[in-house]
Amino acid sequence: DAKTTQPPSMDCAEGRAANLPCNHSTISGNEYVYWYRQIHSQGPQYIIHGLKNNETNEMASLIITEDRKSSTLILPHATLRDTAVYYCIVREGTSYDKVIFGPGTSLSVIP
Amino acid sequence: NAGVTQTPKFRVLKTGQSMTLLCAQDMNHEYMYWYRQDPGMGLRLIHYSVGEGTTAKGEVPDGYNVSRLKKQNFLLGLESAAPSQTSVYFCASKVPQGWNNEQFFGPGTRLTVL
Repeated sequence: DAKTTQPPSMDCAEGRAANLPCNHSTISGNEYVYWYRQIHSQGPQYIIHGLKNNETNEMASLIITEDRKSSTLILPHATLRDTAVYYCIVREGTSYDKVIFGPGTSLSVIP
Repeated sequence: NAGVTQTPKFRVLKTGQSMTLLCAQDMNHEYMYWYRQDPGMGLRLIHYSVGEGTTAKGEVPDGYNVSRLKKQNFLLGLESAAPSQTSVYFCASKVPQGWNNEQFFGPGTRLTVL
């Protein structure tokens, strides 16, 4: 699976959009971009994933650049409950193999 | 559905003691995983299983053994606990393939080895 790079930490004002970047310059054509988050002391929670088109669900939007070498997770109206560590993972959609989580981005939503 | 559950939630061991962590899922998932998470670090894969009766090593398998005798259960064993195994352990499961290939995680087991 391709490696990802994320900033270690970010701040966001409550009510504003949180934009979390992820670089995955070695991504291959059949690899998807997945985002998870982990709120303190809880198990990671799936947020969203995509291949090359932008995706949106009730939690977030995922913007993938045209060359697919980077992506941005957008939380449109951040709340204090969105304070968490966010993990960007790149992997094949049909892979049964192991998933590697990096250190992620620690997002702090500030009142 | 309970999803993924883990037993116990907390445990304190002395060096050299043994224990087994139980992970159970009621979603009929084929694949199951054991991760550990140390302070300030991401999750590291210990062992995983792609089906009943099969297991495989992950990134950090040393000091751990696993068994998948039943599809719904994945056990993680520590034969002789060491302080370096103090960590939070997470179990996860997922379907083999498909568009929505997300992993579902349990709430974690916090283990301290003295």
